[in-house]
Amino acid sequence: DIQMTQSPSSLSASVGDRATITCRASQDIRNDLGWYQQKPGKAPKRLIYAASTLQSGVPSRFSGSGSGTEFTLTINSLQPEDFATYFCLQHNSYPLTFGGGTKVEIK
Amino acid sequence: QVQLLLSVAEVKKPGASVKVSCKASGYTFTDYYIHWVRQAPGHGLEWMGWINPHNGGTVYAQKFQAWVTMTRDTSISTAYMELSRLTSDDTAVYYCARGLHGDGFDIWGQGTMFTVSS
Repeated sequence: DIQMTQSPSSLSASVGDRATITCRASQDIRNDLGWYQQKPGKAPKRLIYAASTLQSGVPSRFSGSGSGTEFTLTINSLQPEDFATYFCLQHNSYPLTFGGGTKVEIK
Repeated sequence: QVQLLLSVAEVKKPGASVKVSCKASGYTFTDYYIHWVRQAPGHGLEWMGWINPHNGGTVYAQKFQAWVTMTRDTSISTAYMELSRLTSDDTAVYYCARGLHGDGFDIWGQGTMFTVSS
């Protein structure tokens, strides 16, 4: 199975800060990775697909980069609605696997 | 709009089975796979498998192969996930999500909690 190691597990930031979250894959997954946002009691929402393509309707302050084994989600100028949990998903090979999640909290 | 609506939360006894439904709306049901994912309390997300609503084909994660069954009813645009021989380890929030073959998930349902308890 491909292990997805996500870091940090949590981060505290202020409105207007930049947040950076990383997922490392245990083997090459090309760009078969998506980033998701989840708020309590809500369905997860895809932000980025194919590692770096912004999902339609998602604000441009979200961006993704990377390929192979290292991937980054960057949130520029955090807004109040961005405080949530973020996770990555690899769909390169079965079983599909997730990063452990990053909780972004207000400092 | 595109929506996946899961059945309501349930409580089941150990050894029982449960069948969770995921009703799709706002798109052509047979155009996208339906994946099932769960998250046990204090644990990460775990992919269980998918069903292709077009032909009923399935792929299950090896961990779940012995006790999960995924089916669908195209007449009502609904996918089902049945887990048998429940144990307390199956207590979790269960999600369905849609995706194209070889892609991730673009839309998720809101999740449903079921609890296994005597």
